[in-house]
Amino acid sequence: AQSVAQPEDQVNVAEGNPLTVKCTYSVSGNPYLFWYVQYPNRGLQFLLKYITGDNLVKGSYGFEAEFNKSQTSFHLKKPSALVSDSALYFCAVRDQTGANNLFFGTGTRLTVIP
Amino acid sequence: NAGVTQTPKFQVLKTGQSMTLQCAQDMNHNSMYWYRQDPGMGLRLIYYSASEGTTDKGEVPNGYNVSRLNKREFSLRLESAAPSQTSVYFCASTKQGAYTDTQYFGPGTRLTVL
Repeated sequence: AQSVAQPEDQVNVAEGNPLTVKCTYSVSGNPYLFWYVQYPNRGLQFLLKYITGDNLVKGSYGFEAEFNKSQTSFHLKKPSALVSDSALYFCAVRDQTGANNLFFGTGTRLTVIP
Repeated sequence: NAGVTQTPKFQVLKTGQSMTLQCAQDMNHNSMYWYRQDPGMGLRLIYYSASEGTTDKGEVPNGYNVSRLNKREFSLRLESAAPSQTSVYFCASTKQGAYTDTQYFGPGTRLTVL
């Protein structure tokens, strides 16, 4: 069975500082991992995904994520946080047993403090 | 392209009332999904349609029905709404439903059942 865990409900970071939003996963096959962002009263927007290849994946808005197979992690990172990055972030793993839907973590609320 | 659109944006129902949530995509995607989002629980799959003419249950299908009207449209129906169905509902689509495909989400419908 596939699942993801986001251990932090809330992350606060000062503007200009690097940010990390953590995600760990559990899959029975090859991991297909995704990050989405949700701004208030909006739908989910795709940020980036890991399918295969380079462990450092670059995505939208300056975000990147590092895939670590030995630690089963896929942490989202950004070198310098902006106030506009404040949002709810979801990690997700692809279901590989039929529906091909996404299994989502519970989300991490990122607040960037000016 | 409008992407994935959903109507209505907001809805308030009384217990026992019925309603249909509409979803349409203009990206020529084959697979479509309905999720619900509840606080602290991430998104959970209600139903999905791998291709036109097919529908299948997801993780939380009880109390819902779906119709894949054509390739573009995928509706979700609540026959007799219950307060436990108060949630935010998201429709999503993906090109082929393959493991590597990105899912694109609509803006959501916020439903309150009194």
